[in-house]
Amino acid sequence: EIVLTQSPGTLSLSPGERATLSCRASQSVTSTYLAWYQQKPGQAPRLLIYAASNRATGIPDRFSGSGSGTDFTLTISRLEPEDFAVYYCQQYDSSFTFGPGTKVDIK
Amino acid sequence: QVQLIQSGADVKKPGASVKVSCKVSGYTLPEFCIHWVRQAPGKGLQWMGGFDPENGETIYAQNFQGRVTMTGDTSTDTAYMTLSSLRSDDTAIYFCARSQGWNSWMSLWGQGTLVTVSS
Repeated sequence: EIVLTQSPGTLSLSPGERATLSCRASQSVTSTYLAWYQQKPGQAPRLLIYAASNRATGIPDRFSGSGSGTDFTLTISRLEPEDFAVYYCQQYDSSFTFGPGTKVDIK
Repeated sequence: QVQLIQSGADVKKPGASVKVSCKVSGYTLPEFCIHWVRQAPGKGLQWMGGFDPENGETIYAQNFQGRVTMTGDTSTDTAYMTLSSLRSDDTAIYFCARSQGWNSWMSLWGQGTLVTVSS
């Protein structure tokens, strides 16, 4: 099973700042098969990025994804108040696994 | 409007079974695979398995093999997940989500169903 590790566990930032979230896989993941989701309290996850770097429909361009192999990154260029949430990476290359999540909270 | 609408919250006793439904609208069930993902209180996301309504194929996560069954009814565009031999640590929110084929991202999620297991 491919294990995903996310860092940091919590990221405390102010609105307007840049957020950089990391997702590391225990073995190489085909780039096409890595996604990022956002989850707010009391809500279902929402797809942000698929195939490592493609924004889902309706996702603002301040969200971007990059990476390959075992190291992937989600970047939020300028945090808006609605971006404070938990972010999960997911691989769907070999079965399906999620990372433990990174919480982005307000500093 | 394209959406996945899940059944309401449920309370079960240990050892019982629970069946959660996921009705799709805005498209027909066979067009997308349906996955089930759960989230224990304050915890992360755990994939349970998936179901291809077009041919009935299922893939279950090893942790749930033998306890979970995923089915669908194309006449009502509804997918179902049954979890048996419930334990207290099965208390969680259960989500359905769709993907275009097996090896694909989960593009749309249901609102979630809280299942509480308590004696």
